[in-house]
Amino acid sequence: SAVISQKPSRDICQRGTSLTIQCQVDSQVTMMFWYRQQPGQSLTLIATANQGSEATYESGFVIDKFPISRPNLTFSTLTVSNMSPEDSSIYLCSVRTGGRSSPLHFGNGTRLTVT
Amino acid sequence: GENVEQHPSTLSVQEGDSAVIKCTYSDSASNYFPWYKQELGKRPQLIIDIRSNVGEKKDQRIAVTLNKTAKHFSLHITETQPEDSAVYFCAASDRVSNFGNEKLTFGTGTRLTIIP
Repeated sequence: SAVISQKPSRDICQRGTSLTIQCQVDSQVTMMFWYRQQPGQSLTLIATANQGSEATYESGFVIDKFPISRPNLTFSTLTVSNMSPEDSSIYLCSVRTGGRSSPLHFGNGTRLTVT
Repeated sequence: GENVEQHPSTLSVQEGDSAVIKCTYSDSASNYFPWYKQELGKRPQLIIDIRSNVGEKKDQRIAVTLNKTAKHFSLHITETQPEDSAVYFCAASDRVSNFGNEKLTFGTGTRLTIIP
C-alpha cells in the first residue's frame, strides 16, 4: 500500500484562525479523500480532491469552510477556516492505490484542537 | 445515499472466544464492504474486505460474510487475543462511478475489548 504522510500530526489553534493540513503520497493517485473523525465517532467524508479540478464536497461541508487544493497527483491540502471548538477533530487523508473499488488507505491523521 | 448501521457499539469477550460484529446497509447497489481496525490514537487500518460477488472470505482468524439479499455483512474474529482490542468500523461503497471516486460510508464503530 502507499505511504501517506500528513502534516501536522497535531495542533492546538485559537478560535477564528485557520489551519492547513498537508497530505503527501509516495505514488501518483487519481483520487484523494479527506475524512473527519470527531472524538469517539465514526469517519465522515468531507470531500474528494480531484487533480486539475474543483474538489467535490459532501452534504454539510462547503468550500469556504474547507478549501482544498490538489496541485498534482501526489499532494493535497485541506484548510480548516475560521475555526470554532466544534471543528476539533481528527482529519484524515486517504487514497486508493489501485483502480475502482480498490482498498482505501489512511494517513496517520491530524488531531486538531480548537480553543 | 448509503446508510450503514453497526452493532453492537461495545463488545467484551474472553480471550480465546469468538467475536462477531454485524452491519447492515441500505443501498442495494453497494458492492464493496471493507472492515477497518483502529487502535487508540492510530489511523484506521484495513483488515479484510469483501465484494458483492462473494459470500464469505477468510484470512487466518478473521472472516467476513455477506448476505446481499438481506443487505447485511458480519465480521467474525476467532480465538481472540488481547491485541484484537480496538475499535472496528465496517463500511460500504457508494454507487460505483466511472471515475473511481465512489465513496465509503462508515458504520458507527464497535469497541471490542478482549478480557485476558
